[in-house]
Amino acid sequence: DTAVSQTPKYLVTQMGNDKSIKCEQNLGHDTMYWYKQDSKKFLKIMFSYNNKELIINETVPNRFSPKSPDKAHLNLHINSLELGDSAVYFCASSSSTDTQYFGPGTRLTVL
Amino acid sequence: GESVGLHLPTLSVQEGDNSIINCAYSNSASDYFIWYKQESGKGPQFIIDIRSNMDKRQGQRVTVLLNKTVKHLSLQIAATQPGDSAVYFCAEKLKGGKLIFGQGTELSVKP
Repeated sequence: DTAVSQTPKYLVTQMGNDKSIKCEQNLGHDTMYWYKQDSKKFLKIMFSYNNKELIINETVPNRFSPKSPDKAHLNLHINSLELGDSAVYFCASSSSTDTQYFGPGTRLTVL
Repeated sequence: GESVGLHLPTLSVQEGDNSIINCAYSNSASDYFIWYKQESGKGPQFIIDIRSNMDKRQGQRVTVLLNKTVKHLSLQIAATQPGDSAVYFCAEKLKGGKLIFGQGTELSVKP
């Protein structure tokens, strides 16, 4: 009955690799988000999709590419991973401008 | 500018005492504010929100106060319990649903 789920929970990979993180929500929301939380717990939005359309695109490297196959899914693909990409990535969803509900996070470690 | 900050990075309280976590924001155009609780290894969890046309809102054991004159937000937790130990974030919602998070305050409850 998980509302917002992410896979994998942990991801350890080498520099230069390409990886994807998947997110799914079963709340019927029309807007989904990706956030990055650094080692100091600072949370910053990266992307937002509304009805599969990109509406927020913060200043992130173009190695990061979100993809929304449908309203219930928002995946994050990262090319050519760098050490600085190590962080916890959170997916969230909301109904238009209402409260955002967060997933459990994916801890990415780049070696 | 867009920034939401917290006055204290850590707060330690005795079980049963009341806790007060403070937050300062700088965007006077923001009209919606949220408090999130993040337990270790989990995603941020919605606690309570408040709109700018209110100055106080109460939930179960929690109260949020908004002072627009000095751009200050606070979260009060009554009868703090060990389960309240977590990092607490205030967030400011801008147009389009973008959330700007504060630094976070780590609340530690001593038994």
